[in-house]
Amino acid sequence: AQSVTQLDSHVSVSEGTPVLLRCNYSSSYSPSLFWYVQHPNKGLQLLLKYTSAATLVKGINGFEAEFKKSETSFHLTKPSAHMSDAAEYFCVVMDDYKLSFGAGTTVTVRA
Amino acid sequence: EPEVTQTPSHQVTQMGQEVILRCVPISNHLYFYWYRQILGQKVEFLVSFYNNEISEKSEIFDDQFSVERPDGSNFTLKIRSTKLEDSAMYFCASSQQREGHEQFFGPGTRLTVL
Repeated sequence: AQSVTQLDSHVSVSEGTPVLLRCNYSSSYSPSLFWYVQHPNKGLQLLLKYTSAATLVKGINGFEAEFKKSETSFHLTKPSAHMSDAAEYFCVVMDDYKLSFGAGTTVTVRA
Repeated sequence: EPEVTQTPSHQVTQMGQEVILRCVPISNHLYFYWYRQILGQKVEFLVSFYNNEISEKSEIFDDQFSVERPDGSNFTLKIRSTKLEDSAMYFCASSQQREGHEQFFGPGTRLTVL
């Protein structure tokens, strides 16, 4: 079975500073990886996905993630955080056609 | 933009009662899913559904659970006799294809079992 581990349960950043959310995956073959975001009282929204094309994936709202096979990582970054980025972020791997979620990282943004 | 919708947004029920959670997937999608998230825990896969039958289910999806696509638009999850531990947020999702394709999620139904 494939799985992901999110290395930080909570990340706090100042507005305008970079955001880094770390995710490692465990997979026996080339995985399909996703980052989803969940704002309070909202559903899960796809930020970006990796499906064995370019290793640097650009998503919505200025987020991007880099797939590094040698490090089994798929970290999410954004160069400049905005107050609206405060949310829960999930790293997700497709495991036999179903999604396997990480535990989530809560991002808070300080003014 | 098309979206997945779910009703109700919050359901409160007594232990032992039956509940039906409803979802309207995106209209041209063929694959449907239910996930749940118990408070403070990971989002967990429950079941996938394609061509009017279950294609995969998790260990959580026991005989108390069932899914149905009663018409061309709705997709329902039924819990026959709710238990306290069924209290969770239930998410419906749909996708056009299976492999590598994005699953679009609804806003969720919060089920509280008293």
